[in-house]
Amino acid sequence: KNQVEQSPQSLIILEGKNCTLQCNYTVSPFSNLRWYKQDTGRGPVSLTIMTFSENTKSNGRYTATLDADTKQSSLHITASQLSDSASYICVVSARYKLSFGAGTTVTVRA
Amino acid sequence: SAVISQKPSRDICQRGTSLTIQCQVDSQVTMMFWYRQQPGQSLTLIATANQGSEATYESGFVIDKFPISRPNLTFSTLTVSNMSPEDSSIYLCSVDSGVTGELFFGEGSRLTVL
Repeated sequence: KNQVEQSPQSLIILEGKNCTLQCNYTVSPFSNLRWYKQDTGRGPVSLTIMTFSENTKSNGRYTATLDADTKQSSLHITASQLSDSASYICVVSARYKLSFGAGTTVTVRA
Repeated sequence: SAVISQKPSRDICQRGTSLTIQCQVDSQVTMMFWYRQQPGQSLTLIATANQGSEATYESGFVIDKFPISRPNLTFSTLTVSNMSPEDSSIYLCSVDSGVTGELFFGEGSRLTVL
């Protein structure tokens, strides 16, 4: 069983709307949690990295939250744009070992 | 940040042949990582390539199938040997910053085996 579970698997939203992606993990001990954006045909690009003590981190219209107690993270996309269409991957680090989620595919429609 | 170039970006290969993927980094890095990304699945680490020593393979991956070279601190190759359709996947090269813990990825090499 994957130690990093993402939901939903995919979603479609209208341009300008907000959406929230979820990441639940069982990885232990926890070092940090990262969110990556992967455009079709491209490699993943880092959006945020959060350590145990960080609850929220923003990168432009992307805001990630972390609850280390419940082992949950979310990525909120504000005022979505067509360029936000991509796969978003949650990655949890534990002692130099990375566990990857399967990703959430976001499609933004005009 | 690190800029990573991978070649080829995509290829279509015949069953039983082998393909070598190249990864070039614009700065010297200690470790380079090779990942496989199968459709709809999470990235899976194949091996870690260290300069001057043999690569370290993850469970389920063997050197005979995925030989790796690391001749210097900016370059590595991954060969997919004796390919079968099950090897159709995206192969990604990656390095870490060593400071921020951030991972940088190449653009990926999309391999289709017929």
